[in-house]
Amino acid sequence: GQSLEQPSEVTAVEGAIVQINCTYQTSGFYGLSWYQQHDGGAPTFLSYNALDGLEETGRFSSFLSRSDSYGYLLLQELQMKDSASYFCAVRHGGATNKLIFGTGTLLAVQP
Amino acid sequence: GAGVSQSPSNKVTEKGKDVELRCDPISGHTALYWYRQSLGQGLEFLIYFQGNSAPDKSGLPSDRFSAERTGGSVSTLTIQRTQQEDSAVYLCASRDMRGATDTQYFGPGTRLTVL
Repeated sequence: GQSLEQPSEVTAVEGAIVQINCTYQTSGFYGLSWYQQHDGGAPTFLSYNALDGLEETGRFSSFLSRSDSYGYLLLQELQMKDSASYFCAVRHGGATNKLIFGTGTLLAVQP
Repeated sequence: GAGVSQSPSNKVTEKGKDVELRCDPISGHTALYWYRQSLGQGLEFLIYFQGNSAPDKSGLPSDRFSAERTGGSVSTLTIQRTQQEDSAVYLCASRDMRGATDTQYFGPGTRLTVL
């Protein structure tokens, strides 16, 4: 089977730092992606890790440990506009590179 | 440049009717994916196109679901004899195979409601 686990909800205040964890168990693995989805909107790409370690893109960072089948998304200096759902997704590889998504973490940023 | 577009944005249909959902990918993107998102859930892979062929249809939930792609561009997802459990947001994504990027660019989706 294929499964990705992430917390269903996280609440934080403006200016804070929040970490969203993702553990995965999939039959194929090429890398871990993170997508943001605002309510009613399209998922948008945030970051991708193919190798172990930390990738930093502005206020967002993503980490991967392949040996632990674990990754996280780190959001710094939280802003109200960061309130959204965040999905981790395994890049399955093979001929399709389809994404296997987690069920998402709803982040609520409070003033 | 234009992003991925989908139409209609909303579709309400009666149980048993057929529906067609359309996706226009980003120009030049040869890879196209269909996903389904039920309320409060993650995205569920349905089918993958490379050009006009579909090497991976493993996510289609039943033979009522089919999809085609013509001219290496527009794709249509067809659901026959719709059921209430088909109600979901259907999302299309495209990817540029020429680069090393993994990024899939998603359209805004079609919200399907089966009464």
